[in-house]
Amino acid sequence: AQSVAQPEDQVNVAEGNPLTVKCTYSVSGNPYLFWYVQYPNRGLQFLLKYITGDNLVKGSYGFEAEFNKSQTSFHLKKPSALVSDSALYFCAVPKDSSGNTGKLIFGQGTTLQVKP
Amino acid sequence: EAGVAQSPRYKIIEKRQSVAFWCNPISGHATLYWYQQILGQGPKLLIQFQNNGVVDDSQLPKDRFSAERLKGVDSTLKIQPAKLEDSAVYLCASSPSGGAHREQYFGPGTRLTVT
Repeated sequence: AQSVAQPEDQVNVAEGNPLTVKCTYSVSGNPYLFWYVQYPNRGLQFLLKYITGDNLVKGSYGFEAEFNKSQTSFHLKKPSALVSDSALYFCAVPKDSSGNTGKLIFGQGTTLQVKP
Repeated sequence: EAGVAQSPRYKIIEKRQSVAFWCNPISGHATLYWYQQILGQGPKLLIQFQNNGVVDDSQLPKDRFSAERLKGVDSTLKIQPAKLEDSAVYLCASSPSGGAHREQYFGPGTRLTVT
């Protein structure tokens, strides 16, 4: 069964420092992987996805993620954190990567707190 | 381009009452999803529509939840009767098609409190 795990409930970083939000996955077939962000009282926003090709994926707001097949990880990164990056981040994988259903299985979420 | 619209944004009801949520997806998006997000958890898919047909409703508690997308555009999710454990944020999302590689566009959600 497809699954993702986010091992940290919360990540704290100082503004200007690099940030990493971790995600590990377990999939069969094509490893389509997604990151979404949720700001307070708002819906989820798509950040980036890995489908195939380059292992380093660039997304919105300066975020990037590195697909690592040997470690089954897809960590979200940003070179310099902003206070406005403080939000709840979700890693997700499709339930069925080979079919037409887009049903996503989400991790439990990681709260990112960036302090000035 | 307008985003996914949802209403109401907040709803408070007593247990055993009924409630309905409305969603209007991004224009031209064939696929529509309803998710339930309980506080502290990731969203969980309730139902997926492709145009006006149901693709996946395996996680929908059909004894109390129902959803429709009659004309393949906007959709309504209903709970009748509501239970305390239905307190959650109900998110609607859409995508151009239902492929596993497609990103989804989410609305702001409806926060339901059942007392």
